[in-house]
Amino acid sequence: AQTVTQSQPEMSVQEAETVTLSCTYDTSESNYYLFWYKQPPSRQMILVIRQEAYKQQNATENRFSVNFQKAAKSFSLKISDSQLGDTAMYFCAFSPNSGNTPLVFGKGTRLSVIA
Amino acid sequence: NAGVMQNPRHLVRRRGQEARLRCSPVKGHSHVYWYRQLPEEGLKFMVYLQKENIIDESGMPKERFSAEFPKEGPSILRIQQVVRGDSAAYFCASSPRTGGANEQFFGPGTRLTVL
Repeated sequence: AQTVTQSQPEMSVQEAETVTLSCTYDTSESNYYLFWYKQPPSRQMILVIRQEAYKQQNATENRFSVNFQKAAKSFSLKISDSQLGDTAMYFCAFSPNSGNTPLVFGKGTRLSVIA
Repeated sequence: NAGVMQNPRHLVRRRGQEARLRCSPVKGHSHVYWYRQLPEEGLKFMVYLQKENIIDESGMPKERFSAEFPKEGPSILRIQQVVRGDSAAYFCASSPRTGGANEQFFGPGTRLTVL
């Protein structure tokens, strides 16, 4: 069974600074997808960024980028130029590349951006 | 923005009553997933449905819980004889097709409180 581990329950960062959230996973699959979701106080789940395991290039979406280390099964999220609106819970999620399958989520990291 | 709709957003039930949660997927999406989020936890998969079929219900308790996704109308998650431990946020997600990146679009969730 796949598992996703987020070892940082809470983190904080000063506005405009950079922060990195950690995520590790365990799987025997050779190809799969990894996601970071943001859950602000409204509780809406918002997709931040997605990485396909067969792609070596790290995904980037504006201020958000990932450091994907397939051999280490590590998938960290870097937020540059942090903004107050980035304050939220961040969840790492895994999906096997076998059609429509449920996502496996980590327990989340609560990020606070401080003015 | 015709995203995933869930209603009600908040639902209060007394122990022993029934809870009925509704989810309308993104127009054209035929795959629906239900997840449950306990306080301070990540989302846990419950059930995956396609139109008129349950594909995977491995995460759903065998008793008191049921789900359907009829040919017409929303997907329904039904919890009979609710207990306090059922208090949680229930999220629905939809995706458009089989295969591919399995990107799931989430609704705003229904927060169930059992008194």
